[in-house]
Amino acid sequence: EAGVTQFPSHSVIEKGQTVTLRCDPISGHDNLYWYRRVMGKEIKFLLHFVKESKQDESGMPNNRFLAERTGGTYSTLKVQPAELEDSGVYFCASSPQTLGWGYTFGSGTRLTVV
Amino acid sequence: AQSVAQPEDQVNVAEGNPLTVKCTYSVSGNPYLFWYVQYPNRGLQFLLKYITGDNLVKGSYGFEAEFNKSQTSFHLKKPSALVSDSALYFCAVRKGGATNKLIFGTGTLLAVQP
Repeated sequence: EAGVTQFPSHSVIEKGQTVTLRCDPISGHDNLYWYRRVMGKEIKFLLHFVKESKQDESGMPNNRFLAERTGGTYSTLKVQPAELEDSGVYFCASSPQTLGWGYTFGSGTRLTVV
Repeated sequence: AQSVAQPEDQVNVAEGNPLTVKCTYSVSGNPYLFWYVQYPNRGLQFLLKYITGDNLVKGSYGFEAEFNKSQTSFHLKKPSALVSDSALYFCAVRKGGATNKLIFGTGTLLAVQP
């Protein structure tokens, strides 16, 4: 079984530019989560999709962040325009509908805004 | 509010010695507790969880954790450390409700010296 795939693995962009991160969950997993770790701090929840619907987006920092999950498959997280404080590692995780704690995490995207 | 504290930024231990990585939590109701590990350039990997039952939970790679309700702790332990255990360890608690999101600690870097 393929795991959760995220790309790019690294991205370096200038302040003010746009970046789109992608997450491909495990096939058949209805739940998809985005998390972020800013350097040296805790991993923080951003949002949760159930299929294509946003179940909880309470962790999204501001309206510069836009997440989508068209068709309930892969998800994208767009940051526009990027700011310096957006730098960090963005993790995606997925889980089956019936196993609320069976998360599988991707390897993350390291975003550096300069 | 639910929270997780990992009081040590780094733990140093000699190979072959026992290791402990500390975690305390604050949660309303019964806690669902997790340990994850992140090896360099890898994603978050699940180590073990406590949901209910025996307070001593055994997980992957020889790790175990002890749930202590009175001290609200869930320390990660291993009887004999390996150099390959060197990694970043995160404790997490599941926030209940429809979203099942995880609340993470800030992480503890474990360095095992040969």
